[in-house]
Amino acid sequence: ETGVTQSPTHLIKTRGQQVTLRCSSQSGHNTVSWYQQALGQGPQFIFQYYREEENGRGNFPPRFSGLQFPNYSSELNVNALELDDSALYLCASSFGQESSPLHFGNGTRLTVT
Amino acid sequence: LAKTTQPISMDSYEGQEVNITCSHNNIATNDYITWYQQFPSQGPRFIIQGYKTKVTNEVASLFIPADRKSSTLSLPRVSLSDTAVYYCLVGPRSAAGNKLTFGGGTRVLVKP
Repeated sequence: ETGVTQSPTHLIKTRGQQVTLRCSSQSGHNTVSWYQQALGQGPQFIFQYYREEENGRGNFPPRFSGLQFPNYSSELNVNALELDDSALYLCASSFGQESSPLHFGNGTRLTVT
Repeated sequence: LAKTTQPISMDSYEGQEVNITCSHNNIATNDYITWYQQFPSQGPRFIIQGYKTKVTNEVASLFIPADRKSSTLSLPRVSLSDTAVYYCLVGPRSAAGNKLTFGGGTRVLVKP
């Protein structure tokens, strides 16, 4: 059984740039959720994708967008990066719309300078 | 979604039992209680989930009183490797479209 993998593991970007983060879901899972975790805080829900469609969104601006592909892998895109976007971005996969328990990857550490 | 309150931190010693209580006064009828563990620079890991009374697995027990307004995660005989942040979440088991969000968690430090 292959777990959730995320790439890259670390990334440094400049304010105003755009970034794409990638996630491969665990084998057999068709739902992907993305979370942002600032240093010292709990993960905050960004959005969820089920069967290639956005299926719920947290309190994040439209410059945070995503995609889910037919193989259930997913991308998180962030445009016009701001310094406050510096965080650990976590991807979690699950099966169906019962998304508990979530299986998390180890995240992408994004630093915006 | 139900708001949860848990202690910010707890210290313990190897071999002791650690109990972390989570308050969720406005839990809804269809809400489940789920606990995750997170080590530094890793994603959270599912520990246990329950709806009422007691649930036990190979790593922990979850105690839920009849009114379900709180729950207690019990870690038996902790070791140094149990040092982590523990998150309590309350929400529908079917979280589709729901904003399953983590609170601040409880930082557990296990000392030798």
